[in-house]
Amino acid sequence: DVKVTQSSRYLVKRTGEKVFLECVQDMDHENMFWYRQDPGLGLRLIYFSYDVKMKEKGDIPEGYSVSREKKERFSLILESASTNQTSMYLCASARRTARGQPQHFGDGTRLSIL
Amino acid sequence: AQSVTQLGSHVSVSEGALVLLRCNYSSSVPPYLFWYVQYPNQGLQLLLKYTSAATLVKGINGFEAEFKKSETSFHLTKPSAHMSDAAEYFCAVSAGGYQKVTFGTGTKLQVIP
Repeated sequence: DVKVTQSSRYLVKRTGEKVFLECVQDMDHENMFWYRQDPGLGLRLIYFSYDVKMKEKGDIPEGYSVSREKKERFSLILESASTNQTSMYLCASARRTARGQPQHFGDGTRLSIL
Repeated sequence: AQSVTQLGSHVSVSEGALVLLRCNYSSSVPPYLFWYVQYPNQGLQLLLKYTSAATLVKGINGFEAEFKKSETSFHLTKPSAHMSDAAEYFCAVSAGGYQKVTFGTGTKLQVIP
């Protein structure tokens, strides 16, 4: 069965810290995505990657960066965490073979920045 | 450009009643459309998808959705609500490359016993 695993379900960090969120998929998918989910705003795309070492900005990339050194792993980095980055973060992956492929999601990381 | 509008951030239905969750989309090219469900403290799970084959799409857990191009709609329905259907539902559209998807703001479904 399809599996997207996010390293932490809950994380508490302090303002100014560098924060790493990790995501691993076991489906050999080319595309991987990072979203943040906030009440009333739905899911907003932060960054996505269509291949190893490739990345594209999404709708809200400011304050974030990503790394994809291996096909199965996609990391989201908060360079200097701020309180407005407190949110639920969701990772997803999808095949690149054709349009219309659904995304498969991890269970999310609820991040609190104090 | 693509966008999705979900009408109603909260919907309440009685157990056994019809479920209707509304979704309208905007897309400059023929779209692919999805409905996802999110249970508390979980990620999103695919309910169903429209990929230009049949306009009436059947999904898991008894849900279905009808693609209406003239109305730019993709409403989700279920004939009889069950308590286990209580969750948040997201409509999504994909019309660009790299499987980029734009999500709606979500509708929380409450099922009243």
